[in-house]
Amino acid sequence: QKEVEQNSGPLSVPEGAIASLNCTYSDRVSQSFFWYRQYSGKSPELIMSIYSNGDKEDGRFTAQLNKASQYVSLLIRDSQPSDSATYLCAVNGVGASYDKVIFGPGTSLSVIP
Amino acid sequence: NAGVTQTPKFRILKIGQSMTLQCTQDMNHNYMYWYRQDPGMGLKLIYYSVGAGITDKGEVPNGYNVSRSTTEDFPLRLELAAPSQTSVYFCASSYHDSYEQYFGPGTRLTVT
Repeated sequence: QKEVEQNSGPLSVPEGAIASLNCTYSDRVSQSFFWYRQYSGKSPELIMSIYSNGDKEDGRFTAQLNKASQYVSLLIRDSQPSDSATYLCAVNGVGASYDKVIFGPGTSLSVIP
Repeated sequence: NAGVTQTPKFRILKIGQSMTLQCTQDMNHNYMYWYRQDPGMGLKLIYYSVGAGITDKGEVPNGYNVSRSTTEDFPLRLELAAPSQTSVYFCASSYHDSYEQYFGPGTRLTVT
């Protein structure tokens, strides 16, 4: 079983719609959760960190965490073509992976004008 | 702050050649990482370091070596380059307490 899984893409949404990106993780004791955005040909950029159950909002972005269900999501409101990118979910490693961050495979998002 | 810098941006190597990818961070982060990313694929951890003088293998260390003599620098050495090492290489750093990793711009390497 993969440690961090993301819904398979590509995901296409029309401009102005809400884009919903989902992520599940396998280790129940994980405490730190991140969303990175990666434009084509560029490096990953940290856009959201969340540590507590519930919602965390930053502008048009909302991260949602449900530790009981081992589920993290990223909502992008009023999606813009400039949001078209691959979004990587990441979770802190535990046990033997304590010093690492575990990245999911990413979900490609395309916002159609 | 420059953040995480990597050199070179691009490089073409012939099979069997060697090279060093440079990574420097000016954020006083104790943790540093090297990843590779093949086209259309996710990040794979090559090596990481939790502080000067301490390094450890990630999931794909074969064909690579690292050293960490200072907090700022974490070079990645490729010995006897092979076509399978054609990839984009990213260096990242973080404070361990936060796990928030900050990435350099990457080095695009082609081995022919």
